[in-house]
Amino acid sequence: DIVVTQTPHSLSVTPGQPASISCKSSQSLLDSDGTTYLFWYQQKSGQSPQLLISEGSNRFSGVPDRFSGSGSGTDFTLTISRVEAEDAGVYYCMQGIHLPWTFGQGTKVEI
Amino acid sequence: EVQLVESGGDLVQPGGSLRLSCTASGFTFGDYWMTWVRQAPGKGLEWVANINQDGSMRQYLDSVKGRFTISRDDAKNSLYLQMNSLRAEDTATYYCARPPGRRLDYWGQGALVTVSS
Repeated sequence: DIVVTQTPHSLSVTPGQPASISCKSSQSLLDSDGTTYLFWYQQKSGQSPQLLISEGSNRFSGVPDRFSGSGSGTDFTLTISRVEAEDAGVYYCMQGIHLPWTFGQGTKVEI
Repeated sequence: EVQLVESGGDLVQPGGSLRLSCTASGFTFGDYWMTWVRQAPGKGLEWVANINQDGSMRQYLDSVKGRFTISRDDAKNSLYLQMNSLRAEDTATYYCARPPGRRLDYWGQGALVTVSS
């Protein structure tokens, strides 16, 4: 199984400041079709996860542009350019290149 | 508006069975693969199973293979997860999700399954 490792485990950020979360996979997430199967999700307290970023860097519909994804191969980063209070929650990366799809352990962001 | 609504969560004894349902609306259900993901209390997310559009392809997490069955009824816009031989470690909130291009773009609110005597 592909192991997905997120760092840090938790992050305390002041509103208006940037925040970054790293996600590293044990195998490349670039498929032969040219697609990078790395996704980022946000889960606010008591809610279901929501898709933020797909294919490593594509913001999902309605996601604020302060969220961005970057990286390739095995190393990826989610960046929040200027954190807002509503960004508090747990962030997960997920690989979808090989079954079983696997998630990172999550990064808790506190504002 | 895409909506996914799970139901069927309950308290069940170890070794027991339970069937979860997920009712979809706001999109053409039959055009999509569907997925179940679970989350143990206070823990992270774990993919459980996928099913393709006509039900001919079903994919499972190794630890549930042979115990869980994913199925669908497109006439009812519904996804199911039949869970047998339940164990304490299956205790979790189970989410159904839509996975176009393997991105889980819409999730339900979840159904809590508690396996305990």
